[in-house]
Amino acid sequence: GEDVEQSLFLSVREGDSSVINCTYTDSSSTYLYWYKQEPGAGLQLLTYIFSNMDMKQDQRLTVLLNKKDKHLSLRIADTQTGDSAIYFCAETYTGGFKTIFGAGTRLFVKA
Amino acid sequence: ETGVTQSPTHLIKTRGQQVTLRCSSQSGHNTVSWYQQALGQGPQFIFQYYREEENGRGNFPPRFSGLQFPNYSSELNVNALELDDSALYLCASSLEVQASTDTQYFGPGTRLTVL
Repeated sequence: GEDVEQSLFLSVREGDSSVINCTYTDSSSTYLYWYKQEPGAGLQLLTYIFSNMDMKQDQRLTVLLNKKDKHLSLRIADTQTGDSAIYFCAETYTGGFKTIFGAGTRLFVKA
Repeated sequence: ETGVTQSPTHLIKTRGQQVTLRCSSQSGHNTVSWYQQALGQGPQFIFQYYREEENGRGNFPPRFSGLQFPNYSSELNVNALELDDSALYLCASSLEVQASTDTQYFGPGTRLTVL
């Protein structure tokens, strides 16, 4: 089955780290993504990870993948007020033509 | 800026009417995907077009149809509108068939309200 689940809300203080979690059900997923959506805007691809990787770091972003538990996380270091947005976890498959999105986690950053 | 534009920005229709939403992809992008994003939900895949042919479809009824043109523009048509069709409709373009790291570039969306 195709299902991606995320917690709905996360609130952090400016300067702290944020960790957004996601679980997915399809073990054949090959690529997993994190997208960011700001109000009135489309989705922006933040980062992605191949299913044969455990971790990927890109500046302030760290993605961890636990394939055994089908768990994906996004850590944002030194969270800023500009990071306030909705973050979507998504998956797709080798040769697949569609991307399956979670419902999104709304991140609130308090100054 | 992703280089993907959509029109109109907002649209209000009544039940039973038909609507056409438009998307202009990045030049050279042969693939366009359409998604429906209901309020508080993640985007749901509607269908994908590759070089003017439908390449795959999600769980949407046939009253959702599309067209892709050689000039990198595309349309999403919805017939017999229902209240539940109220949503943000997003198009995303990519260079080839999106299967991996072929990045999808999303437009800002069209907000459709059905009364």
